[in-house]
Amino acid sequence: DGGITQSPKYLFRKEGQNVTLSCEQNLNHDAMYWYRQDPGQGLRLIYYSQIVNDFQKGDIAEGYSVSREKKESFPLTVTSAQKNPTAFYLCASSIRRQAFYGYTFGSGTRLTVV
Amino acid sequence: GQQLNQSPQSMFIQEGEDVSMNCTSSSIFNTWLWYKQDPGEGPVLLIALYKAGELTSNGRLTAQFGITRKDSFLNISASIPSDVGIYFCAGFYSGGGADGLTFGKGTHLIIQP
Repeated sequence: DGGITQSPKYLFRKEGQNVTLSCEQNLNHDAMYWYRQDPGQGLRLIYYSQIVNDFQKGDIAEGYSVSREKKESFPLTVTSAQKNPTAFYLCASSIRRQAFYGYTFGSGTRLTVV
Repeated sequence: GQQLNQSPQSMFIQEGEDVSMNCTSSSIFNTWLWYKQDPGEGPVLLIALYKAGELTSNGRLTAQFGITRKDSFLNISASIPSDVGIYFCAGFYSGGGADGLTFGKGTHLIIQP
């Protein structure tokens, strides 16, 4: 079955460390997105990519970085510059320029800074 | 940018009650989508609406695309415990170079025993 896989489900990070969240899809979607979810704040866009080797900042990109070397993969790195990284992170994908069909979301990664 | 106002923010209901929630915007959209997020999971698409005035059902769920294209409504009839979760609306507008969805902040549905 086609889908989008995020790993790990739970991640613990010490302050000052970088950590990378994985997102892989086998839906043949060109567009991929990263969202951060905090209680009561909805979904906030971190980065998105419409095609391989190209990505754009979203509303809250500071302290995060991404790469898009393969169509199937869009990893997110939470850097030590992100002051409040504890959150639930969601990856999504869609057909490029056909977002009206909706996004397919992964099951999320919960990151906790300890 | 475009913003969606989703209300209510939270709903506390009894099992068996009907539920109504809505999403409004100052901008027009030509697609409205409704998602449900179970606790600890990613959102899943429930209903997609593509035409102003359209009314679409999915089991006990019914959604409508407002005639002004600036709002949408989701109703759940005879709620059951598995309806618990966060419901998000999302809008899409194909003009102006935008190529993504705009999401509401969600309605948190809680069913009291």
